[in-house]
Amino acid sequence: GQNIDQPTEMTATEGAIVQINCTYQTSGFNGLFWYQQHAGEAPTFLSYNVLDGLEEKGRFSSFLSRSKGYSYLLLKELQMKDSASYLCAVRDHNAGNMLTFGGGTRLMVKP
Amino acid sequence: DGGITQSPKYLFRKEGQNVTLSCEQNLNHDAMYWYRQDPGQGLRLIYYSQIVNDFQKGDIAEGYSVSREKKESFPLTVTSAQKNPTAFYLCASSIARRGKNEQFFGPGTRLTVL
Repeated sequence: GQNIDQPTEMTATEGAIVQINCTYQTSGFNGLFWYQQHAGEAPTFLSYNVLDGLEEKGRFSSFLSRSKGYSYLLLKELQMKDSASYLCAVRDHNAGNMLTFGGGTRLMVKP
Repeated sequence: DGGITQSPKYLFRKEGQNVTLSCEQNLNHDAMYWYRQDPGQGLRLIYYSQIVNDFQKGDIAEGYSVSREKKESFPLTVTSAQKNPTAFYLCASSIARRGKNEQFFGPGTRLTVL
């Protein structure tokens, strides 16, 4: 099976930087995804990592270390609209390349 | 506009009734998925289909059934055998090739069983 852990809740201040961590255990790692989900809405794709290192996309960056089973999502210059849940999902080629999602991290951005 | 639609957005049913949730996509994606999300939780896979007329059980398939008669459509039936059906149901689709293949999600259907 797979095990994906992320903090349940985080709070940060508008304009600051926040790092959301995700650790995972999987037998056939084949990519890690981050999704953003506003309350009551569908998740939207943010980033994808399959090789070690940092992927940057505007204010959002995602990092992966396969040897450590660890990823983080970095959000810079936080805005109030960034208040949402952030879902870490791992794809496993030993599980038909299906995604397994973590429980999500609910981020609250305060003025 | 290409995308995934789910209907209805809100659905109420009495206990013991079967109910079917609609999911349609015009993205020409081969693969489609159904997830269930409970309050404050992540997504759990119910069923998935990688090609027409074929589908596979996910982690929590008991009490659910699906069909995939057309590439564009993947309806989910919540049967009376599902013991706790009240949840937010999300449909997704993706291409089925090597590579990133991120999943695109529909707006979801919130099912409440009274």
